[in-house]
Amino acid sequence: SQQGEEDPQALSIQEGENATMNCSYKTSINNLQWYRQNSGRGLVHLILIRSNEREKHSGRLRVTLDTSKKSSSLLITASRAADTASYFCATVDDMRFGAGTRLTVKP
Amino acid sequence: GAVVSQHPSWVICKSGTSVKIECRSLDFQATTMFWYRQFPKQSLMLMATSNEGSKATYEQGVEKDKFLINHASLTLSTLTVTSAHPEDSSFYICSAMPLGLALGGDTGELFFGEGSRLTVL
Repeated sequence: SQQGEEDPQALSIQEGENATMNCSYKTSINNLQWYRQNSGRGLVHLILIRSNEREKHSGRLRVTLDTSKKSSSLLITASRAADTASYFCATVDDMRFGAGTRLTVKP
Repeated sequence: GAVVSQHPSWVICKSGTSVKIECRSLDFQATTMFWYRQFPKQSLMLMATSNEGSKATYEQGVEKDKFLINHASLTLSTLTVTSAHPEDSSFYICSAMPLGLALGGDTGELFFGEGSRLTVL
């Protein structure tokens, strides 16, 4: 079974807006990763956050982790049309993926 | 970054035939590779964990005789869909974990192949 669940399942925004995606997981973890998948392609690693970290930044990406709530969020700031993709969280301990959020950024 | 090559990228076959998909780590060694299956607009479903030199560990509900996995070297794992049927049509993706990293530890990223789209007629 899949480990995490993302919400929303689909998100449509205008270019320049921020996009926030959430992920919940069920078991204790050491690390959590976020990946991006363009349609029909493989996955690309975006960022890893460790269980002792609460927030991490990478360019326009900001990831938070709340281990007490077993949840994580991915924020993409100043979105671009090229950010259109599906985004998945994965618990590193067993590499299971959440349901994903399909993000559409309209130009 | 590290590259994982998956081949073929797409394949169409007749029902009852077998199809082999290869997953190669091109510039690193991988003791562990993962095979996933993905239906349209859905997430990745872990099928099995492939360990070099040993038998694969299959997830519950995945038929090991149907989906044969071989990890004969540190750079190659293969998935063979035996006696394929239309319901096996899907997008199959592999990923590789570089040698020396372990699940649950201070792991880095997994490296994914570009996927193989299987259509069984």
